[in-house]
Amino acid sequence: GNSVTQMEGPVTLSEEAFLTINCTYTATGYPSLFWYVQYPGEGLQLLLKATKADDKGSNKGFEATYRKETTSFHLEKGSVQVSDSAVYFCALSDHPNDYKLSFGAGTTVTVRA
Amino acid sequence: DVKVTQSSRYLVKRTGEKVFLECVQDMDHENMFWYRQDPGLGLRLIYFSYDVKMKEKGDIPEGYSVSREKKERFSLILESASTNQTSMYLCASILGGGSYNEQFFGPGTRLTVL
Repeated sequence: GNSVTQMEGPVTLSEEAFLTINCTYTATGYPSLFWYVQYPGEGLQLLLKATKADDKGSNKGFEATYRKETTSFHLEKGSVQVSDSAVYFCALSDHPNDYKLSFGAGTTVTVRA
Repeated sequence: DVKVTQSSRYLVKRTGEKVFLECVQDMDHENMFWYRQDPGLGLRLIYFSYDVKMKEKGDIPEGYSVSREKKERFSLILESASTNQTSMYLCASILGGGSYNEQFFGPGTRLTVL
């Protein structure tokens, strides 16, 4: 079956620090990969996505590259801000017409001024 | 903007009560989902629906049922609430045409069962 493993939190950083959240996956097919973000008190929203190997998704200064050889989709940001404090979820869907998402456990990130 | 709304942000119910959680989306999406979110477990799929009156079980359907009588509305029903159903419940919807599309989420309902 499908599964997503992401690094456990919580992660606490200072402003302008470098952030990496590791994500690896297991899938039966050729998945699409996603990072979702949940700000305090809100639902999830899509942060970025990649649909094939070597694709790089990017948004709001965050990046993640689809690595098929290592089955990974690590999230990175070079300089975090207090407003990046949130819970981050790695997720996959297994093939183009399967809309179901499998989620990782989530990583709570707190950025201090 | 796509909007997914959920009927309540916070709900407190007693064990054994029948509980209805309502979700409405305004973008004519075919597909709708109910997840529960628990610390350390991420989001787990309870039920989903590809069309009106159509439903399929997700990974943890036990103790839940759903109803989709209209395209825009997807209801989650707890027939007899139990304390282990205390959780955050999230509704989502997605347009058809491929999983590359984004799932849009509601703000969540935090349910406490006493």
